[in-house]
Amino acid sequence: DPKIIQKPKYLVAVTGSEKILICEQYLGHNAMYWYRQSAKKPLEFMFSYSYQKLMDNQTASSRFQPQSSKKNHLDLQITALKPDDSATYFCASSQPGQGNSDYTFGSGTRLLVI
Amino acid sequence: GQGVEQPDNLMSVEGTFARVNCTYSTSGFNGLSWYQQREGHAPVFLSYVVLDGLKDSGHFSTFLSRSNGYSYLLLTELQIKDSASYLCAVRDRDTNAYKVIFGKGTHLHVLP
Repeated sequence: DPKIIQKPKYLVAVTGSEKILICEQYLGHNAMYWYRQSAKKPLEFMFSYSYQKLMDNQTASSRFQPQSSKKNHLDLQITALKPDDSATYFCASSQPGQGNSDYTFGSGTRLLVI
Repeated sequence: GQGVEQPDNLMSVEGTFARVNCTYSTSGFNGLSWYQQREGHAPVFLSYVVLDGLKDSGHFSTFLSRSNGYSYLLLTELQIKDSASYLCAVRDRDTNAYKVIFGKGTHLHVLP
């Protein structure tokens, strides 16, 4: 069974629209993250949350808004979508305080904006 | 500035070994991890090191030199299925403790 569930797996959106990417983790972790991966680029850190509080935000645009309704949920709302937003969005989680910085990643949401 | 650098590609032969290099620059250092990522899939954790030296984990071994900002992942007895991208990731201590910076990844091609 997948430990981190991301929905949907594939998403096609029209420029200017709004979408929500879902992430739920069942590992009992207290920290969750969003990363973005585009072709030929490294995994790019976007947000980190711990105990449902925003810890770090490296996304310049306010069009990207994380939402944490429960400790094991961290959704990502994207408004006014642009073609440049096309990428795979990975959710990850970890347990802060452990020396091991092991991240567990979800399978990703592949977003295509047309 | 801060960054993690890796070569784009690496080729090796089945049954031999491959060394994936990583250099990093951070304002602080709080550990380095290696991940394997197959095309179209999520990264999978392989190894974590925070102290200098070689950490032998069987098929995968990891070396770290903090003074040189350098690490490598060593894969021995290569199999075709080891063909994948290998990502180096560094946790920066002086910024928010929850941010990990990833390199672009090195695509390892294992030839028969």
